[in-house]
Amino acid sequence: RKEVEQDPGPFNVPEGATVAFNCTYSNSASQSFFWYRQDCRKEPKLLMSVYSSGNEDGRFTAQLNRASQYISLLIRDSKLSDSATYLCVVNKGSSAGGTSYGKLTFGQGTILTVHP
Amino acid sequence: DAMVIQNPRYQVTQFGKPVTLSCSQTLNHNVMYWYQQKSSQAPKLLFHYYDKDFNNEADTPDNFQSRRPNTSFCFLDIRSPGLGDAAMYLCATSRVAQPQHFGDGTRLSIL
Repeated sequence: RKEVEQDPGPFNVPEGATVAFNCTYSNSASQSFFWYRQDCRKEPKLLMSVYSSGNEDGRFTAQLNRASQYISLLIRDSKLSDSATYLCVVNKGSSAGGTSYGKLTFGQGTILTVHP
Repeated sequence: DAMVIQNPRYQVTQFGKPVTLSCSQTLNHNVMYWYQQKSSQAPKLLFHYYDKDFNNEADTPDNFQSRRPNTSFCFLDIRSPGLGDAAMYLCATSRVAQPQHFGDGTRLSIL
């Protein structure tokens, strides 16, 4: 089983649609969670962190269910510019000298295409 | 405004010819990472530095080495590149337990 698994996609949606991505992770000790977006042949860019209480940033809403080890991203009112690959990312956490820091594990990514 | 800078953007080398990729940061982050990303795949962590402490991933080939001479710079050395090493190489930085910031990447081609 992969450490981070995402919806296989790809998703093709019209402008204005609402689309949801799901992600599961296998390590129950994972400490923090993120959604990154990656445009074609570009570097990943942080879209948003995911908090236990759920969080929203404009048209984007992220949810975390620690009991089910499940993360989601909801995009409302899709724009053409939302077309990208969305990466579910989990920080397993590591220790060095007693201080935790981040080792990210990336999901495979889900391709989203928003069409006119 | 670029905060994590990778050079060069594109690198072409010959099979077996050593190559060095560089990364610099202006964020003063204490953790620096190198990832390999092949087409349609997720970024794969090769190794990272926590300050001067080097941490190699178990499945990173010996062909890949890294140096971090100071906080701002980190290098990826590929001693004898093979055709399978053609990929995008991404450098990232972070503070402890904070999201990572990526550079633009270096796309490596092997002839």
